[in-house]
Formats: sequence, C-alpha cells, structure tokens
Amino acid sequence: AQSVSQHNHHVILSEAASLELGCNYSYGGTVNLFWYVQYPGQHLQLLLKYFSGDPLVKGIKGFEAEFIKSKFSFNLRKPSVQWSDTAEYFCAVNAGSRGGKLIFGQGTELSVKP
Amino acid sequence: GAVVSQHPSRVICKSGTSVKIECRSLDFQATTMFWYRQFPKQSLMLMATSNEGSKATYEQGVEKDKFLINHASLTLSTLTVTSAHPEDSSFYICSARNTGSLYGYTFGSGTRLTVV
Repeated sequence: AQSVSQHNHHVILSEAASLELGCNYSYGGTVNLFWYVQYPGQHLQLLLKYFSGDPLVKGIKGFEAEFIKSKFSFNLRKPSVQWSDTAEYFCAVNAGSRGGKLIFGQGTELSVKP
Repeated sequence: GAVVSQHPSRVICKSGTSVKIECRSLDFQATTMFWYRQFPKQSLMLMATSNEGSKATYEQGVEKDKFLINHASLTLSTLTVTSAHPEDSSFYICSARNTGSLYGYTFGSGTRLTVV
C-alpha cells in the first residue's frame, strides 16, 4: 500500500531562515506528488505539484520542491521564511492514474518567529 | 477559480443522532469527490471516494453503514454520520476533483463535528 512519511512533526524557525521539510513515499510506480498548506482556520491550499519533467518544481509564495526518484523523496524548500508562512504543511501522493485518491503524510507544523 | 463549499462548518449533536455534511462544487462539475477525516495534530485520513451515480468506495477499516455517502449529482456529495458517538468527533474534509482542469483537487473548508 502507498504511504507517505513526513519526518518533522514541528519545525520552529526565525524569520529569514531557510526551510526544508522532508517527505518520503513508498510506491514503486509512477507517482504524482503534491505539497499542500493549511493556514490556521483555513482549508487546504495547493503549494505545488509534480507530475513529470523537471524534478525541481516551483510553487506559489516562493516555495519549491525537488523530486528525487532514487530516494523516493519530494522535499519542500524555501530560502527565506516569513512569519506568514506559519501553517501546517502536508505532502501528498497520488499513485498511478491522475485524478485518483490522494494519500497524505502526517503533516509538519511550521512556526516562524518574527 | 474552483470552489468547494462544505457545510456546516461546525456541528454539535447528541450521541445516537445522525448528522449530514454537504459538499458542493460551485463552479465546476465534480464526478469524483473524496471524504477525509482529520484528527487534531494529525494528517488527513481518506475515508472514501464517491463517484457520481455510483456507490462510494470505502477505505479499509471505514464502516460504510456508519458513514453513508451519497453523490447524486455532479455538484453535490453528502456524508451522513449515523448513530454518532463521541469517538466520531473529528474534522471532516471533502475534496472534489475538477474534471475541467488539467489536474485539480479542490478542498472544502471542513466540518468540525462534536458528539456529546
């Protein structure tokens, strides 16, 4: 069965620090990968997604993620975080056909200190 | 952009009663909708996939007789929690697949269910 693992449960950073959130998945075939953000009291929003092509994907709000197939990883990065990036971040995987069910990781809570 | 309206946003019900949660795609047709459950500080757990006009597909361990899903139209899916118990208290989120976009999932804002 597919599974998604996010290594960090809670990350605390100061503003302007660099961010990297880990995400690993277990599935041997073709995958589509996503990062979502959930701000306090709000619904999930898509940050970025990877289907194929360039493994370095750029998303909204300065976020990017790199797909490393050999490591089954899709880590999220941002060079300089802001206080407004405080939120919960979820990695998700859809295996096989597009449009199928998404499997989510456990989530990482990011707290950015002003 | 694509919007999914989910309501109620919060509901409190007594043990033994049933609660219905609605998920509507407002400006697109959603042949497929997904229902998730999220416990505090935890991830979204997929409960079931509903397809318009057919029976929902439930994930392993999810009681289909307890969590009734109906997807009668291309814009509406409902989740009914029957004979609710306190352990059913959770945050329920729906997601709709946007058939008009290249590959889009749009999420509702969620429903906080508290069973007392």
